[in-house]
Amino acid sequence: DAGVTQSPTHLIKTRGQQVTLRCSPKSGHDTVSWYQQALGQGPQFIFQYYEEEERQRGNFPDRFSGHQFPNYSSELNVNALLLGDSALYLCASSSRAFGSDTQYFGPGTRLTVL
Amino acid sequence: GDSVTQMEGPVTLSEEAFLTINCTYTATGYPSLFWYVQYPGEGLQLLLKATKADDKGSNKGFEATYRKETTSFHLEKGSVQVSDSAVYFCALNRQNSNSGYALNFGKGTSLLVTP
Repeated sequence: DAGVTQSPTHLIKTRGQQVTLRCSPKSGHDTVSWYQQALGQGPQFIFQYYEEEERQRGNFPDRFSGHQFPNYSSELNVNALLLGDSALYLCASSSRAFGSDTQYFGPGTRLTVL
Repeated sequence: GDSVTQMEGPVTLSEEAFLTINCTYTATGYPSLFWYVQYPGEGLQLLLKATKADDKGSNKGFEATYRKETTSFHLEKGSVQVSDSAVYFCALNRQNSNSGYALNFGKGTSLLVTP
């Protein structure tokens, strides 16, 4: 049973560029959440998708946007990149259909903004 | 708002020592509580969870008990190994009644176990 997968593993961009990160949830999961983890910090919640809609959002600007596809996979898009966007981006999946509040994380995408 | 406070690290222990990592929380309602572990260069792995007061979560020799009276969820292990060296995160879920759950994490506690 494949766990949560993310791509790419690493990414280097320059300020002002746009980036798209991808996530496939664990088999049987229908909900995808995205987190940003700055170096030496705990993950911060960005937003959550269920049934192809954004259901919750943390304290992040609208430069951060996302999408969920019918197969439950998800993308995170960040526009107009800033140096401060450099972080590990984590995707987590869970099963809302089964009423579970347990989230399982992928390995993350390391984004470096130069 | 909801928040989680963890003890500052790094924590350095010798192999076979007893481990305690303190975690306290502030929350409205009755959140579930979690411990996640992050090994160098990796994502987060769920270590254990507890969903209500007095529940004890356990896994791989680690334990934590949900204490509502002290709003705590301290992580313990009786005998640590070098392979336990990692960063440990305490977290609670925030439930929006119609929108599911989101995790609120502490800042993490780095553990180094030496032979």
